[in-house]
Amino acid sequence: QKEVEQNSGPLSVPEGAIASLNCTYSDRVSQSFFWYRQYSGKSPELIMSIYSNGDKEDGRFTAQLNKASQYVSLLIRDSQPSDSATYLCAVNSYNFNKFYFGSGTKLNVKP
Amino acid sequence: DTGVTQSPTHLIKTRGQQVTLRCSPISGHKSVSWYQQVLGQGPQFIFQYYEKEERGRGNFPDRFSARQFPNYSSELNVNALLLGDSALYLCASSLVGNSNQPQHFGDGTRLSIL
Repeated sequence: QKEVEQNSGPLSVPEGAIASLNCTYSDRVSQSFFWYRQYSGKSPELIMSIYSNGDKEDGRFTAQLNKASQYVSLLIRDSQPSDSATYLCAVNSYNFNKFYFGSGTKLNVKP
Repeated sequence: DTGVTQSPTHLIKTRGQQVTLRCSPISGHKSVSWYQQVLGQGPQFIFQYYEKEERGRGNFPDRFSARQFPNYSSELNVNALLLGDSALYLCASSLVGNSNQPQHFGDGTRLSIL
């Protein structure tokens, strides 16, 4: 079982819609969770971090964490074509010495 | 502020050769981590260094080694290169190790093995 699992997509949504990206993790004692965006040929860029159960909002982005279900999600409201990228979920190991990434979900926002 | 800088940006090597990749963290960051990313996959953790000591190691062979210098910059060395080592090598820095701090990535070094 992989430490972090994501649906590879592609996830296609029309411009202005809500995009919902999901991630599950295997290590029950993981402490911190991150979403990165990676454009083709570029390096990952941090979007959000979340540490506690519940929702965290930052502009058009909302991260949701449910530790009991070992589930993290990212909602993108009012999706724009410029949001088209691969979204990577990352989880910090319990001793904070390793970062595990999912394989990413490719998002296409159609004008 | 200058972000994480990596050099070189591109590198072409042949099988059996050795390579050294370099990374300078964001000013004030003391922890550096290295990742390998092959096409279509997420980054795979190789090493984390903090205060010049190795604090974490991923599932990579002993051909991979790294070190961190007193100025917190770091080098990743790969010996006896194989075709499968072709990948984007990413360096990420964070304020401290052993913490829940997010990591910030450099632009990477794209390594091609012929």
